[in-house]
Amino acid sequence: DSGVTQTPKHLITATGQRVTLRCSPRSGDLSVYWYQQSLDQGLQFLIQYYNGEERAKGNILERFSAQQFPDLHSELNLSSLELGDSALYFCASSVAFGGVNGYTFGSGTRLTVV
Amino acid sequence: AQRVTQPEKLLSVFKGAPVELKCNYSYSGSPELFWYVQYSRQRLQLLLRHISRESIKGFTADLNKGETSFHLKKPFAQEEDSAMYYCALLGTYKYIFGTGTRLKVLA
Repeated sequence: DSGVTQTPKHLITATGQRVTLRCSPRSGDLSVYWYQQSLDQGLQFLIQYYNGEERAKGNILERFSAQQFPDLHSELNLSSLELGDSALYFCASSVAFGGVNGYTFGSGTRLTVV
Repeated sequence: AQRVTQPEKLLSVFKGAPVELKCNYSYSGSPELFWYVQYSRQRLQLLLRHISRESIKGFTADLNKGETSFHLKKPFAQEEDSAMYYCALLGTYKYIFGTGTRLKVLA
């Protein structure tokens, strides 16, 4: 077990809907990162939180938002879903700000928009 | 610009043959580079990092600042090495990943 827990593992939803993906970081890790992995785009950085605060933003659409709660778990909210949002969404965590010792990845949430 | 390039989408080798997965980077300053491996669309796992100068599962990678490269090598490929390999650069507060190379080791 990697220590990073993501739920749900699979999600199938219709276009126009809204979903929430959840991530619990490894115990002791303060940084949480969200990545989107699609077949044609590879791993795209979405957003990073450190101890509850947003610290870096990548190619995250305005329809997407995230937050990190006081217990350090994080949620990624995807709204007005489109077919192109179908992808594997990974959460990763690290102890250090920026992940100098490497990330620990969760097993991902596979989102299918139909 | 901070960028990681993995020029090969797919690399097929026979079992027992040497493997080299290419990675080039663009970064001003001293880079921190890593290789991650992903088996069958499972979670990514850290394979190795250049600062450790370690060998994991027979893989090694040497940072060549002159060529801005961090190629992953293994002298004798095994079937269980078949996976997706990502090179990553620690940029400003986050990792920048290459597009990945799928390694297929043929029996």
